[in-house]
Amino acid sequence: DTAVSQTPKYLVTQMGNDKSIKCEQNLGHDTMYWYKQDSKKFLKIMFSYNNKELIINETVPNRFSPKSPDKAHLNLHINSLELGDSAVYFCASSQNALDGRTEAFFGQGTRLTVV
Amino acid sequence: KNEVEQSPQNLTAQEGEFITINCSYSVGISALHWLQQHPGGGIVSLFMLSSGKKKHGRLIATINIQEKHSSLHITASHPRDSAVYICAVGGSQGNLIFGKGTKLSVKP
Repeated sequence: DTAVSQTPKYLVTQMGNDKSIKCEQNLGHDTMYWYKQDSKKFLKIMFSYNNKELIINETVPNRFSPKSPDKAHLNLHINSLELGDSAVYFCASSQNALDGRTEAFFGQGTRLTVV
Repeated sequence: KNEVEQSPQNLTAQEGEFITINCSYSVGISALHWLQQHPGGGIVSLFMLSSGKKKHGRLIATINIQEKHSSLHITASHPRDSAVYICAVGGSQGNLIFGKGTKLSVKP
């Protein structure tokens, strides 16, 4: 039973399209994250939600919009996709964000390719 | 300068060798994490530590808070240890700030 699952695993789409990546965790964690891994394999935070409330919103284009319908789900919607959005996107969760001392659990990643 | 620096960037070892990967950080942290990313892409948490030393099987992680330095050791390395090892520190809002990773290749 997968702890953090994200779908789809692979996504190939044309420039200008709108797409969503879904993430669900069954760990009962309070906090969920979206991280982006670029072509050089460097991971960087995009968004973080704690109990459905946005707590981190890094310098990410407005075309990226996270949505958390409940604390077990954090979806990422991307409008007007651009070539530079091609990357691997990881969802993660942890029990308690704010003390920084909790283990993070990652989804398998979604490899987005914009053509 | 990245807040989390790892070395080496790439590491090739022979099976059975003792391996050390180093991590230095420049920010105050609540905890330091070592992660493993397999060739298939998945990321797994190996250790989370805020002081001292932790051991899990052939893996050992140490941290020196005063020196802002951590090391990950692998004893009796095996080809299945081949992966990217990532050091990350806990940010002020619980997110992780990552190093650039160390790509380890263990040859049989």
